[in-house]
Amino acid sequence: EAGVAQSPRYKIIEKRQSVAFWCNPISGHATLYWYQQILGQGPKLLIQFQNNGVVDDSQLPKDRFSAERLKGVDSTLKIQPAKLEDSAVYLCASSSLGGGTQYFGPGTRLLVL
Amino acid sequence: GIQVEQSPPDLILQEGANSTLRCNFSDSVNNLQWFHQNPWGQLINLFYIPSGTKQNGRLSATTVATERYSLLYISSSQTTDSGVYFCAVPNTNAGKSTFGDGTTLTVKP
Repeated sequence: EAGVAQSPRYKIIEKRQSVAFWCNPISGHATLYWYQQILGQGPKLLIQFQNNGVVDDSQLPKDRFSAERLKGVDSTLKIQPAKLEDSAVYLCASSSLGGGTQYFGPGTRLLVL
Repeated sequence: GIQVEQSPPDLILQEGANSTLRCNFSDSVNNLQWFHQNPWGQLINLFYIPSGTKQNGRLSATTVATERYSLLYISSSQTTDSGVYFCAVPNTNAGKSTFGDGTTLTVKP
């Protein structure tokens, strides 16, 4: 069974630029999560989808971050415009149902200069 | 929201030693996961353990939900066990997870 796929693996941009990350969950998993992990901290949930609907986005900075999962499968997370403090690893995870075991992708390391 | 505290924050062991990592949470939960983040950043599932005890090789975990804590035991540690161990608990039945800040384990040869 293929795992959670993410791309790109690394991205370097300048502040005020835009960036997008892509995630493809494990086949059949209805729940998809995006996390932000700052160095030295645990992952922080940004947004959770159940199929193509948003379950929770209370910690998503909506003035600059957006995410979509239009067909209930893969998902895109966008930052526009980026700030220096957005430098982090962005992790995608999926589970077969809400509250179930989460499986993580390899993450995208973002550096904002 | 729910608070998750892990201890100790850092742990250094000699190869072959045993260790216990703790996760305290501030509210009742209906599931809990332990993860290992390897030096390359990949989060790997260890246990999904809302209550009781589970074992997988040299690792085992116990969750006492009524007392709001979980323990991860590592026996006969190896250098490959090095990394950061996280516990995560949900805030709601929908599965929104809150992670602790992790325990950084270093196993020396």
